[in-house]
Amino acid sequence: DQQVKQNSPSLSVQEGRISILNCDYTNSMFDYFLWYKKYPAEGPTFLISISSIKDKNEDGRFTVFLNKSAKHLSLHIVPSQPGDSAVYFCAASAQGRTQGGSEKLVFGKGTKLTVNP
Amino acid sequence: ETGVTQTPRHLVMGMTNKKSLKCEQHLGHNAMYWYKQSAKKPLELMFVYNFKEQTENNSVPSRFSPECPNSSHLFLHLHTLQPEDSALYLCASSPGQGLFNEQFFGPGTRLTVL
Repeated sequence: DQQVKQNSPSLSVQEGRISILNCDYTNSMFDYFLWYKKYPAEGPTFLISISSIKDKNEDGRFTVFLNKSAKHLSLHIVPSQPGDSAVYFCAASAQGRTQGGSEKLVFGKGTKLTVNP
Repeated sequence: ETGVTQTPRHLVMGMTNKKSLKCEQHLGHNAMYWYKQSAKKPLELMFVYNFKEQTENNSVPSRFSPECPNSSHLFLHLHTLQPEDSALYLCASSPGQGLFNEQFFGPGTRLTVL
């Protein structure tokens, strides 16, 4: 039973356009959400996060939107660049479940983004 | 370079072998994690250590045995594995205190069990 779902396994976008990656979750206790990017043969790299007290967080070309009522978040990349081609993972945690400050992250399956030149 | 290193990067072992995966973090973090990523599946949390104490065992079979001798090092000892244990094993670390901390991942060990 997946608590974090990324329903699109892949997405293809033209360079310069906007990429929108979506993520849905089922656990209403989740209050912290993260996006990671993963290149082949490397571990996931943290990209951007948002806590449930916000509905938007922006960092350069990357913006994450959170819709708590819909239990939905999205990552917008604009403008998209060929170097953004990677697998993007959505992750969530419930801070109330942490033990001593460690976080139990629940991940989605990932969406493979391809940005075409 | 995330400050988390893992060795070996690739490992092939038979079902009767005993091997160990090593993870080291140079970030001064206090929490360390083992994850498993199988094909077509999300990353699955296996173990969590905080200040060298195991705080989470996510129903992992006993053929996987973690060890955390200090806050900078984490091992995963493997014995009598099954072919279905073939996967990418990722180590991560985080500050281990406060809220809303991201985890930093190593490059992973690609394990193949024959």
